[in-house]
Amino acid sequence: GIQVEQSPPDLILQEGANSTLRCNFSVSVNNLQWFHQNPWGQLINLFYIPSGTKQNGRLSATTVATERYSLLYISSSQTTDSGVYFCAVGGMNAGGTSYGKLTFGQGTILTVHP
Amino acid sequence: DAGITQSPRHKVTETGTPVTLRCHQTENHRYMYWYRQDPGHGLRLIHYSYGVKDTDKGEVSDGYSVSRSKTEDFLLTLESATSSQTSVYFCATARQGIYEQFFGPGTRLTVL
Repeated sequence: GIQVEQSPPDLILQEGANSTLRCNFSVSVNNLQWFHQNPWGQLINLFYIPSGTKQNGRLSATTVATERYSLLYISSSQTTDSGVYFCAVGGMNAGGTSYGKLTFGQGTILTVHP
Repeated sequence: DAGITQSPRHKVTETGTPVTLRCHQTENHRYMYWYRQDPGHGLRLIHYSYGVKDTDKGEVSDGYSVSRSKTEDFLLTLESATSSQTSVYFCATARQGIYEQFFGPGTRLTVL
């Protein structure tokens, strides 16, 4: 099956610091998403980024599909950024369809201290 | 978001009882998914649907069945709940052609 590895597993920051989270995956993908799971358990969509670069405020993401990795950048971190960040990927079946199924990494637990 | 609701939000049940979780969406998305989240395992796909009455198994489907009789509803059934099915269950949806998934709020199920 698809392997998704996220690093680092844990990250502790002071407010205002920058960070980079990495996601390595084992197959060619037609879907890659980054999620933030807040302390209440809600999964929040950050980026849908099977390739290329996107930015949304203090967050940006880059996926290099040919090298099978994606990066999530968080700048000027805030305490509200705390939570778990998941990378999830979807690959193509042999028949050319995947129905959008996602395989999740284990997540990066981010703690931002004031 | 995709207007996804899950019911119930919390449930405590006993081993051996049947349980049905409901996912309801208002966005007319074609694809729907059930995942479970457990410590140390992240989220894992249980079953998914690619249309009305079209479903298939995911990574951890043993002990679960699903049904989708209309676009907006996707039901997950535990025929005879076991303690190993204690988990948080998430439903997700995606529209045809763009597979970006949106998640519901989750259901916390405890099997005693």
